[in-house]
Amino acid sequence: DIQMTQSPSSLSTSVGDRVTITCQASEDINYYLNWYQQKPGKAPKLLIQDASKLETGVPSRFSGSGSGTDFTFTISSLQPEDIATYYCQHYYNLPRTFGQGTKLEIK
Amino acid sequence: QVQLQESGPGLVKPSQTLSLTCTVSGGSISTGSNYWSWIRQPAGKGLEWVGRIHTSGNTNYNPSLKSRVTISIDTSKTQFSLKLSSVTAADTAVYYCAREYSTTFDDWGQGTLVTVSS
Repeated sequence: DIQMTQSPSSLSTSVGDRVTITCQASEDINYYLNWYQQKPGKAPKLLIQDASKLETGVPSRFSGSGSGTDFTFTISSLQPEDIATYYCQHYYNLPRTFGQGTKLEIK
Repeated sequence: QVQLQESGPGLVKPSQTLSLTCTVSGGSISTGSNYWSWIRQPAGKGLEWVGRIHTSGNTNYNPSLKSRVTISIDTSKTQFSLKLSSVTAADTAVYYCAREYSTTFDDWGQGTLVTVSS
């Protein structure tokens, strides 16, 4: 199985901050990576596919980059509604695996 | 976009079989590009892919669960189902059904909590 390692596991942030989350794959997955947002008590929501392609309707303050084994997810200016847990997920092969998540909290 | 709804018992005894059904509405369950998946999440923890089924009946399972998992589909009822046998407390989780379109989990059910306890 491909292991996905996210860091940090949690992040204390302020509204307006630039937030960066990294995701490292245990082997080369090309650009086969998605990012999801999960709010408490809700199902995850797809934000970014193919490492950098923003889903329709997702605000442009969200972005993704990377390929191979190292990926980055960025929120350019954190908004209150962005408080959630974020997960990366590869689709290079089966089984699909997710990172352990990064929980954003307000300072 | 489709709507998915999980249903099934919220409490299962250890060593028994967990059974859940996902009902799909607002679209066809038979579209060839879709895989119908189960993903679970223990409380306060991350997401674990359990397995998936294609409309053709082809299945793929997480190797960590493969010996205990069966996923089936009933296109006439627009439903697909999960059975997980010999459950233990470690199987307690919120179980989500989801549509995997090509490479992304686009649509998700709201999730259902299954607790394994005597």
